[in-house]
Amino acid sequence: DTEVTQTPKHLVMGMTNKKSLKCEQHMGHRAMYWYKQKAKKPPELMFVYSYEKLSINESVPSRFSPECPNSSLLNLHLHALQPEDSALYLCASSQDDTRRNTEAFFGQGTRLTVV
Amino acid sequence: DQQVKQNSPSLSVQEGRISILNCDYTNSMFDYFLWYKKYPAEGPTFLISISSIKDKNEDGRFTVFLNKSAKHLSLHIVPSQPGDSAVYFCAAQRGNAGNMLTFGGGTRLMVKP
Repeated sequence: DTEVTQTPKHLVMGMTNKKSLKCEQHMGHRAMYWYKQKAKKPPELMFVYSYEKLSINESVPSRFSPECPNSSLLNLHLHALQPEDSALYLCASSQDDTRRNTEAFFGQGTRLTVV
Repeated sequence: DQQVKQNSPSLSVQEGRISILNCDYTNSMFDYFLWYKKYPAEGPTFLISISSIKDKNEDGRFTVFLNKSAKHLSLHIVPSQPGDSAVYFCAAQRGNAGNMLTFGGGTRLMVKP
């Protein structure tokens, strides 16, 4: 099983809403990532979790709040977003972030629209 | 400042011919390079990778070449097939920064039947 599953696939939310994006993998990977991709741009790293601990936060605004409840799950809690936060949010996992040179596997992404 | 660049936003190739996608990087600390393929509304799919200690890696129709002195890599697809039509991202890793990926801007490949 080399699958990373993200839900929901699409999400429309208002600027005052609170919502969560979910990501799940069963490959035994111990590193999980959130990336954000705007239209016609490459994915950009937001957060890295290593062994369920936040190891990298790429200066992401606090309206994005990641959570890693266990080694298979990664959530991204959203609150008071702005229309410019509309993007494709990609979850990825890799064996771990201390082992050199391993590829990351990506989910299909959640297409988020903030209205 | 973009550390990984793909200077061709699009490439059109006839079916059966070779597709060559190029990528340049500026950070000499990068030591592992990957190519991902992305269809619309899907996440990137890993294709092939190369370590900085090698200059070539081959997997079926896909070959990646690395020129460290020029900080340049390329992906060759031979023969190209219509199903290869997608956006291709070059990505790089630094060994001391976990496995976080720095992506290039992508090249849209169109393979015409």
